[in-house]
Amino acid sequence: ETGVTQTPRHLVMGMTNKKSLKCEQHLGHNAMYWYKQSAKKPLELMFVYSLEERVENNSVPSRFSPECPNSSHLFLHLHTLQPEDSALYLCASSQDAQGSYNSPLHFGNGTRLTVT
Amino acid sequence: SQQGEEDPQALSIQEGENATMNCSYKTSINNLQWYRQNSGRGLVHLILIRSNEREKHSGRLRVTLDTSKKSSSLLITASRAADTASYFCATDAAAGTALIFGKGTTLSVSS
Repeated sequence: ETGVTQTPRHLVMGMTNKKSLKCEQHLGHNAMYWYKQSAKKPLELMFVYSLEERVENNSVPSRFSPECPNSSHLFLHLHTLQPEDSALYLCASSQDAQGSYNSPLHFGNGTRLTVT
Repeated sequence: SQQGEEDPQALSIQEGENATMNCSYKTSINNLQWYRQNSGRGLVHLILIRSNEREKHSGRLRVTLDTSKKSSSLLITASRAADTASYFCATDAAAGTALIFGKGTTLSVSS
């Protein structure tokens, strides 16, 4: 559909679990992103990768750990999460290696994460 | 940090009516983008307008940009039930870093 595929679509985990979110883009883009979307709040940029290198990290707690093994795949490793981390986690990609400057973001449909 | 703020937060209209959403931002931009998000889905890019452009059209969408007022508007003409969604504006910093989004306007179009 969108060219960006996220799995799983839904995830329920306890605070002591370790899980990973996966994102794959089929668009040949050079930049990939993780955003967090919570109710009543703007989208929060978490991480940006450009050509597989992390270029931005917006003061995200260390319980979130990103990994970008190649330009098509992006992971978000989760461990020891808190209930307030429950949210929709969105992955996006863009053509421009310098970020979304002059190029639109293509989003996946997100992973709905619930931390119990 | 720089952020777009959409207004109104929620808008309810009848099919066939026009819907106007506004966005204000704080600092200079290179471009402003509008996105739509259907419930439970990711965001979909609608239109990008550059700082040297004043108006742009795409189908039933019309976007205006007033850099002197640091504001933009999105007009959807002849709304349809399928236009029901949340609409977000997003801006980049002058340095060309990643987009910053507002909280969005929730549009409900009833038939």
